Amino acid sequence: NAGVMQNPRHLVRRRGQEARLRCSPMKGHSHVYWYRQLPEEGLKFMVYLQKENIIDESGMPKERFSAEFPKEGPSILRIQQVVRGDSAAYFCASSPVGSSSNYGYTFGSGTRLTVV
Amino acid sequence: TQLLEQSPQFLSIQEGENLTVYCNSSSVFSSLQWYRQEPGEGPVLLVTVVTGGEVKKLKRLTFQFGDARKDSSLHITAAQPGDTGLYLCAGEGNSGGSNYKLTFGKGTLLTVNP
Repeated sequence: NAGVMQNPRHLVRRRGQEARLRCSPMKGHSHVYWYRQLPEEGLKFMVYLQKENIIDESGMPKERFSAEFPKEGPSILRIQQVVRGDSAAYFCASSPVGSSSNYGYTFGSGTRLTVV
Repeated sequence: TQLLEQSPQFLSIQEGENLTVYCNSSSVFSSLQWYRQEPGEGPVLLVTVVTGGEVKKLKRLTFQFGDARKDSSLHITAAQPGDTGLYLCAGEGNSGGSNYKLTFGKGTLLTVNP
């Protein structure tokens, strides 16, 4: 029973390139959340998705960032034209329902993005 | 904006000692969760507390949710080196149907020395 799978674990991009981060939720989980952890900062909510729907993207920068969770396949967080300030650890979490009260969230191991 | 303040930020103790870390806010949360994160890994859920005044025990760990659901504490008895890690509290939103959104504190980095 695999947990939340994120890949790649580490990603190095030059300024201006695109970064694609992938997340496969736990089996049976249809709710996916992306969080970003900057150095010396707590985890910050970015976006909440269900299959084929973006429910809340209020934490995601309006420019250069996009997220999707297609009917088939993993959720993708896409960052276009990366800048050094995008360097961070990006975590994906999943849950069976759209609330963490009863089950909590299961987090993946994260993707550490470094922009050089 | 809901904020969670965790204290202390860093804690270094000897094996066998007891410790308490705190998580405080001026906001009310529908639930509060504690996670432990090790270097290079994602947070792992330890416990969720929902009811004001609730106390939960997990072996040597005791979690308490404040009566007003604004604060929480984590007490570890007889700490062991394996308890070393970053302890994060996270509050689940309590407004406007956004009860899926977690607000995290910056964490308490605990080091237990053998």
